[in-house]
Amino acid sequence: AQTVTQSQPEMSVQEAETVTLSCTYDTSESDYYLFWYKQPPSRQMILVIRQEAYKQQNATENRFSVNFQKAAKSFSLKISDSQLGDAAMYFCAYKDTGNQFYFGTGTSLTVIP
Amino acid sequence: KAGVTQTPRYLIKTRGQQVTLSCSPISGHRSVSWYQQTPGQGLQFLFEYFSETQRNKGNFPGRFSGRQFSNSRSEMNVSTLELGDSALYLCASSLGSSAFTDTQYFGPGTRLTVL
Repeated sequence: AQTVTQSQPEMSVQEAETVTLSCTYDTSESDYYLFWYKQPPSRQMILVIRQEAYKQQNATENRFSVNFQKAAKSFSLKISDSQLGDAAMYFCAYKDTGNQFYFGTGTSLTVIP
Repeated sequence: KAGVTQTPRYLIKTRGQQVTLSCSPISGHRSVSWYQQTPGQGLQFLFEYFSETQRNKGNFPGRFSGRQFSNSRSEMNVSTLELGDSALYLCASSLGSSAFTDTQYFGPGTRLTVL
């Protein structure tokens, strides 16, 4: 079974600074999709960014970008110009071609004013 | 479009009881997945229903079961509740295809407390 590992249970960043959240995964498949989800305190989980495994180009969504290293099975999330509203639990997720999702244990991000 | 809704939002039960949680997906979505979220464990996949059939199943005991109706609404049932079942239960809906653009949209969750 695929596994997703987030080795940083907690991270903090100063407002306006940049932070990178790490994610690694284990799979024998060549075709899959990767996602980062954000879960603000007591609020609904929402999609932040997604990446197709067969695309070399790293995905970018405004201040959020990923560093996808397929050979290393690494999928890190970079948040630039951090804002107070970015404080949340961030989950890395892997989706296989059978439509099953696998989630990491999450990284709690604190933004310091 | 209305988002994914889950009812009830909060539930308190005692050990040995059973509970049923409900999830209404986004209109047009045919896949509903259920997850158990506990501190330190992240999201653990329970099962996925697609077109009224269980398509994927996680590694949970048989006390956890589910079903999906023809309108794609789904229910999850937990029988003989244990203290360790206390968690946030999340439901997520999607179109159910393997396409890249088909991602999961989550509901607000049902917070289950077992006393």
